Amino acid sequence: QITLKESGPTLVKRTQTLTLTCSFSGFSLSIYGVGVAWIRQPPGKALEWLALIYSNDDKRYSPSLKSRLTITKDTSKNQVVLTMTNMDPVDTATYFCTHVPNTSGTFDYWGQGTLVTVSS
Amino acid sequence: QSVLTQPPSVSAAPGQKVTISCSGSSSNIGNHYLSWYQQLPGTAPKLLIYENNKRPSGIPDRFSGSKSGTSATLGIAGLQTGDEADYYCGTWDSNLSAWVFGGGTKLTVL
Repeated sequence: QITLKESGPTLVKRTQTLTLTCSFSGFSLSIYGVGVAWIRQPPGKALEWLALIYSNDDKRYSPSLKSRLTITKDTSKNQVVLTMTNMDPVDTATYFCTHVPNTSGTFDYWGQGTLVTVSS
Repeated sequence: QSVLTQPPSVSAAPGQKVTISCSGSSSNIGNHYLSWYQQLPGTAPKLLIYENNKRPSGIPDRFSGSKSGTSATLGIAGLQTGDEADYYCGTWDSNLSAWVFGGGTKLTVL
């Protein structure tokens, strides 16, 4: 049974750096082709893909946010960490991490999400 | 402005069938697998359809997916009040080098 859970601050100030951790179970990031992605959703708005890391440490970033994002994995701890620099109120959103079973881009298991509010 | 275009809302009566469209281009839907996600109020999205028309284990066959050219359609038959949710399509865009989603469609079961 695959489960994921996001953790991190619920409130950050403008210009600060956000660090979110995705802790997962039921799969290993040492298996070829498997990945973990981060997706966010501003209140009342659509989903937006942010970043993805594969088991071979291949990393992909949203082109519009690439300069602000870093994704890393700790295979031994079953964790993936996303950092986003220079936070702004427009970054207020629920941040989800998801399991990616292969390179087809399906996000098949999702965490419950964590709401991050950016204050000005 | 989302890369994939969905109608903002659709509605139908219980027991009826509804379809939700997702329109894109050759750089996304036209050449890559499409997925559909259901987001019930206050919850995380859930995978409904993957690789255009496949259902994950546990998803009833009332839900169906199809793709033709640069457009895709989600079909929901035998509508239930519990199907009221936001539905999103998503795929890879090779021009943007990014995974992209539609703007979402709110389904109301009247």
